[in-house]
Amino acid sequence: DGGITQSPKYLFRKEGQNVTLSCEQNLNHDAMYWYRQDPGQGLRLIYYSQIVNDFQKGDIAEGYSVSREKKESFPLTVTSAQKNPTAFYLCASTPRGTANYGYTFGSGTRLTVV
Amino acid sequence: AQKVTQAQTEISVVEKEDVTLDCVYETRDTTYYLFWYKQPPSGELVFLIRRNSFDEQNEISGRYSWNFQKSTSSFNFTITASQVVDSAVYFCALSDSGAGNNRKLIWGLGTSLAVNP
Repeated sequence: DGGITQSPKYLFRKEGQNVTLSCEQNLNHDAMYWYRQDPGQGLRLIYYSQIVNDFQKGDIAEGYSVSREKKESFPLTVTSAQKNPTAFYLCASTPRGTANYGYTFGSGTRLTVV
Repeated sequence: AQKVTQAQTEISVVEKEDVTLDCVYETRDTTYYLFWYKQPPSGELVFLIRRNSFDEQNEISGRYSWNFQKSTSSFNFTITASQVVDSAVYFCALSDSGAGNNRKLIWGLGTSLAVNP
């Protein structure tokens, strides 16, 4: 079945460490997105990519980095510069680089700083 | 600027009650799409419906129905005879082609629905 796989489901990070969250899709979608969700909050866009080797900052890109070397993969690195990284991270994709079709979401990664 | 407002932060109902979740949007464009997503406690967002701006027909899918009214810029979601499994956070979202940029959805803050037995 086609879909988006996010791993790991739970991730613990020590302060000062970089961590990378994986997002892989087999839907042949062009565009991919990373969102952050804090408890009781809505979705905030971190980065998005419409095509391989290209990506744009979202509303809260500071302290995060991404790459898009393959169409299927859009990993997110949470760097030590991100002051409050504990949150739920969601990856999404959409065909043809337009949000008009809506998004397909992964099941999320819950990151906790210890 | 585009904006989606879900004024109801939390709603609590008793099972079998009907409940309506409100969504009001702002856009200058004439071509746009509206969406509803459900986020159960597991966390993954599940697509419920997509509606384009030219189709004002109401939609019904089982116990779910949607009322799209362009005159009031609203796209409300009603659950009939609610069940405990409907407990989730529901998000309304907007995609429009303003200035040719329709690459991302504009999200409301969500409405948390608790259906109690």
